[in-house]
Amino acid sequence: EVQLVESGGGLVQPGRSLRLSCAASGFTLDDYAMHWVRQAPGKGLEWVSGITWNSGTIGYADSVKGRFTISRDNAKNSLYLQMNSLRAEDTALYYCAKDKATVSLRYFDYWGQGTLVIVSS
Amino acid sequence: EIVLTQSPGTLSLSPGERATLSCRASQSVSSNSLAWYQHKPGQAPRLLISGASGRATGTPDRFSGSGSGTDFTLTISSLEPEDFAVFYCQQYGSSPITFGQGTRLEIK
Repeated sequence: EVQLVESGGGLVQPGRSLRLSCAASGFTLDDYAMHWVRQAPGKGLEWVSGITWNSGTIGYADSVKGRFTISRDNAKNSLYLQMNSLRAEDTALYYCAKDKATVSLRYFDYWGQGTLVIVSS
Repeated sequence: EIVLTQSPGTLSLSPGERATLSCRASQSVSSNSLAWYQHKPGQAPRLLISGASGRATGTPDRFSGSGSGTDFTLTISSLEPEDFAVFYCQQYGSSPITFGQGTRLEIK
């Protein structure tokens, strides 16, 4: 059974940093691209970032480019999101999502339950 | 960036009725690279459709996707009580990946 478990969320002050992790199980992580998708309170889904199996292709939404960094450690079955210079508008539930594809960023066939990030002073 | 506009914003229907949800793209979606998701409160989103019309594993056949280019539709032929949720379209034909703003399907 595919499982994605996010961790690392919490309350953080504006301008500070936070690192999210996603532990994957039930499949071979290095067979698939992976993503982070977020949902701000009362809003819709927003793609944040994606990374192919070997980190050869990485993409970011314009809203986080230059501040967030996605990475993966296939040996540890883990995906990460380093979030720097956090803003109030980054407050959201952050989902880890598995792609159907390996070498391109496409769509999401499994999702975790999310980890909540609140940016507030 | 491709902007996806979903309509209507909210759809109020009764079980047994047919639901038609629209997703319009600001430019042509390459290779019909469009997916649909169902999202219920407190749950993870669920993939329903990919490639505009291909049902994901486990998606009931009352859900169907159609369309091409800039206009796409998700149809639920006969609503079941468990179908009421928010539905999102997502395009993956161009970078960056983008979602529509969602259609809320509520019980009338």
